[in-house]
Amino acid sequence: QITLKESGPTVVKPTQTLTLTCTFSGFSLSTSGVGVGWIRQPPGKALEWLALIYWDDDKRYSPSLKSRLTITKDTSKNQVVLTMTNMDPVDTATYYCAHSPEYCSSTNCYLPRHFQHWGQGTLVTVSS
Amino acid sequence: SYVLTQPPSVSVAPGKTARITCGGNNIGSKSVHWYQQKPGQAPVLVIYYDSDRPSGIPERFSGSNSGNTATLTISRVEAGDEADYYCQVWDSSSDHNYVFGTGTKVTVL
Repeated sequence: QITLKESGPTVVKPTQTLTLTCTFSGFSLSTSGVGVGWIRQPPGKALEWLALIYWDDDKRYSPSLKSRLTITKDTSKNQVVLTMTNMDPVDTATYYCAHSPEYCSSTNCYLPRHFQHWGQGTLVTVSS
Repeated sequence: SYVLTQPPSVSVAPGKTARITCGGNNIGSKSVHWYQQKPGQAPVLVIYYDSDRPSGIPERFSGSNSGNTATLTISRVEAGDEADYYCQVWDSSSDHNYVFGTGTKVTVL
């Protein structure tokens, strides 16, 4: 059974740096073809992809937030950490981490392109 | 960047069929994934790679993708299907983005 859980502060002040940790079980981020991503959702709004780290330590970031984001992994602890600098009230959102596995059809295998399992999410409010 | 457009809302009577569209430039050349999100809950994958269903997802959920539109179809709609639905693609043309649609609220009348 795959589970993920986000942890971190519930409130941060403007200009501060947010650090969120995703602790997971049921899979290993050292297994070829696996990724873990971060997605956020402002209250009442749509989902927005932030970042994803692959088993081989390759990293991808949302172009609009790339300068503010860093994603890292600790395979031994089964954790992925996301940092976001210079927080602003518009960054108030529920932040989710999600497991992204490779997909193999009858003919091909594809690198992680969807989010199979999600954490429960953590609401982060940016306020002074 | 790649944009996915969904209708804000779809209303359907119980037992009928709901169709939720996801529009994008030549989306038929990409693989589309669909998520269901009920109020206060995390999203749940209901369709991946256009038409595959994860284990545990009812056969009432199906997907198709062609041209500039992908469609999630919910047959024999139940009250428990009331939720927000999001499409998602991986866009290889723009630094390997994972793009979500604007979301559709499905209301069961």
